[in-house]
Amino acid sequence: DTAVSQTPKYLVTQMGNDKSIKCEQNLGHDTMYWYKQDSKKFLKIMFSYNNKELIINETVPNRFSPKSPDKAHLNLHINSLELGDSAVYFCASSPRDRGYNEQFFGPGTRLTVL
Amino acid sequence: ELKVEQNPLFLSMQEGKNYTIYCNYSTTSDRLYWYRQDPGKSLESLFVLLSNGAVKQEGRLMASLDTKARLSTLHITAAVHDLSATYFCAGGQGGSEKLVFGKGTKLTVNP
Repeated sequence: DTAVSQTPKYLVTQMGNDKSIKCEQNLGHDTMYWYKQDSKKFLKIMFSYNNKELIINETVPNRFSPKSPDKAHLNLHINSLELGDSAVYFCASSPRDRGYNEQFFGPGTRLTVL
Repeated sequence: ELKVEQNPLFLSMQEGKNYTIYCNYSTTSDRLYWYRQDPGKSLESLFVLLSNGAVKQEGRLMASLDTKARLSTLHITAAVHDLSATYFCAGGQGGSEKLVFGKGTKLTVNP
């Protein structure tokens, strides 16, 4: 299936731990994104990469570090997890050449920090 | 900076009724998107609106864009229970890849 996939789907961890979320898209898109959706369903962009280059870096604690090994993958590493990091993290991708970057979202990773 | 506001945030309606969700945005936006999210699920793209006066329809949903009023609407016709979900609008600007999302409208369609 062509899609945006994320692993893991659920992540439960203790405060202070370090964790990673992985994202892969096989849609052939050039641009990938990480979004955070909080408990009130508010969706906010965190990062965006275009062909492995960081192009959007919103005001996010530097404990969050994205990495794009190639244009089909965008991972998110989080150091020293805090309670406030609990949220659903969505990866998305879009084709840049269309000029209107319709974004296609992955299934989400529900992170719970205890 | 672009800000996007939706209203209402919560909408409870009966099957068979019509209603409209409004999406206002603060500065020039050259593209407007509508997404649907079911509980515990991902976001599904519904409509992409790129020009003033654009209107798109899919089933019981119709989206429109008025760039002069900085307003997009999502109109629901003869609602059915399957339309229950949270609907988000999002705006984009210029050459930026960034989308700014509204807070979402949680729609509940009651039998």
